[in-house]
Amino acid sequence: DGGITQSPKYLFRKEGQNVTLSCEQNLNHDAMYWYRQDPGQGLRLIYYSQIVNDFQKGDIAEGYSVSREKKESFPLTVTSAQKNPTAFYLCASSIGAAGLVEEQFFGPGTRLTVL
Amino acid sequence: AQSVTQLDSQVPVFEEAPVELRCNYSSSVSVYLFWYVQYPNQGLQLLLKYLSGSTLVESINGFEAEFNKSQTSFHLRKPSVHISDTAEYFCAVSDPDRDDKIIFGKGTRLHILP
Repeated sequence: DGGITQSPKYLFRKEGQNVTLSCEQNLNHDAMYWYRQDPGQGLRLIYYSQIVNDFQKGDIAEGYSVSREKKESFPLTVTSAQKNPTAFYLCASSIGAAGLVEEQFFGPGTRLTVL
Repeated sequence: AQSVTQLDSQVPVFEEAPVELRCNYSSSVSVYLFWYVQYPNQGLQLLLKYLSGSTLVESINGFEAEFNKSQTSFHLRKPSVHISDTAEYFCAVSDPDRDDKIIFGKGTRLHILP
């Protein structure tokens, strides 16, 4: 089955530690995205990538980093510089053809809790 | 910049009653419009979308939304809700300034009352 997988589903980390969230897709999509979701705030874009080895900051990139070494993988690192990292993180992808995005496909999410 | 407003953060409705979830967006240029649904502790699933053509779009589970360009609205409706419709619903719009982005509203939580 084609889709997006995120792991782990739940993640706990101590303050001051970096942590990496995994996102893999087998949809052959060019574009991938990371969102952060907090209660009552909708989805806020952290980073996105339109093509391998290239990515752009979203609206709340501070304290996060990404890489896009392979088309199917877009890992997100939450660094110790992120002041309030506890949240639900969603990865998404889209075909990435030129023009407006016609649809984004979402993974199941990772819930990160900082202890 | 493009923005999306979902006027109600929560909507309680009795089972089998009709419901409307409201969505307005800011841009007057041609955009694509979406409704996504999120069940607890899951990712988002596309419910329906408007790209072009008929302004009334329907989903397979009885929801519909109507694109109103003059009012820049894309309200979601269902004539009779079921307990399984309990979820959070997000309206979204393509960003006319950036081909590769979608802007999401803050969501409306639909509570179905027995």
